[in-house]
Amino acid sequence: NAGVTQTPKFRILKIGQSMTLQCTQDMNHNYMYWYRQDPGMGLKLIYYSVGAGITDKGEVPNGYNVSRSTTEDFPLRLELAAPSQTSVYFCASSYSRRMGVGNQPQHFGDGTRLSIL
Amino acid sequence: DAKTTQPPSMDCAEGRAANLPCNHSTISGNEYVYWYRQIHSQGPQYIIHGLKNNETNEMASLIITEDRKSSTLILPHATLRDTAVYYCIPVPDMRFGAGTRLTVKP
Repeated sequence: NAGVTQTPKFRILKIGQSMTLQCTQDMNHNYMYWYRQDPGMGLKLIYYSVGAGITDKGEVPNGYNVSRSTTEDFPLRLELAAPSQTSVYFCASSYSRRMGVGNQPQHFGDGTRLSIL
Repeated sequence: DAKTTQPPSMDCAEGRAANLPCNHSTISGNEYVYWYRQIHSQGPQYIIHGLKNNETNEMASLIITEDRKSSTLILPHATLRDTAVYYCIPVPDMRFGAGTRLTVKP
């Protein structure tokens, strides 16, 4: 059981380039999330999705786009990379965003380390 | 939305209990408290959660005060592998603060 898989693990981009961070989960979770983590800081929510075809903004959505065409996949798109987007990006999934309903913690991937120069 | 306060760092001797406090004085009555930890730069790992009652699982125990304004995560016999950043998170808010960096020393 792979859980949450993120690709690539590392990437270096030039300013202004675009790229897509991939995230897939095999647990049939309906909720998926994207976070970024800057050095020494906690995670900040970028976007989340409550199911296929439905996405919503988190704390720091500017500069990013997402789509959710299937239950399994939740790609994160950077259109015009900027140095401020240098960070570690984590994808997560759960049965529901409201984790207080039953024992439904988030499962995290291993992250994508992105540097923009 | 609830806001949590945790000490930035703590040390613990190997084999001893590690007690990590969290203040969540503005938590609402239906918000759960979840604990995660992050080892090195890996993705956060779920530890335990609770609403009102104390909870225990194979990893840790969670003690929640009667007024629910604070909680304590207890690792009963800390090992070197428990060195990590520990996050206390109100749910469904899901905002990660800076957490507590626990260092377990031999």
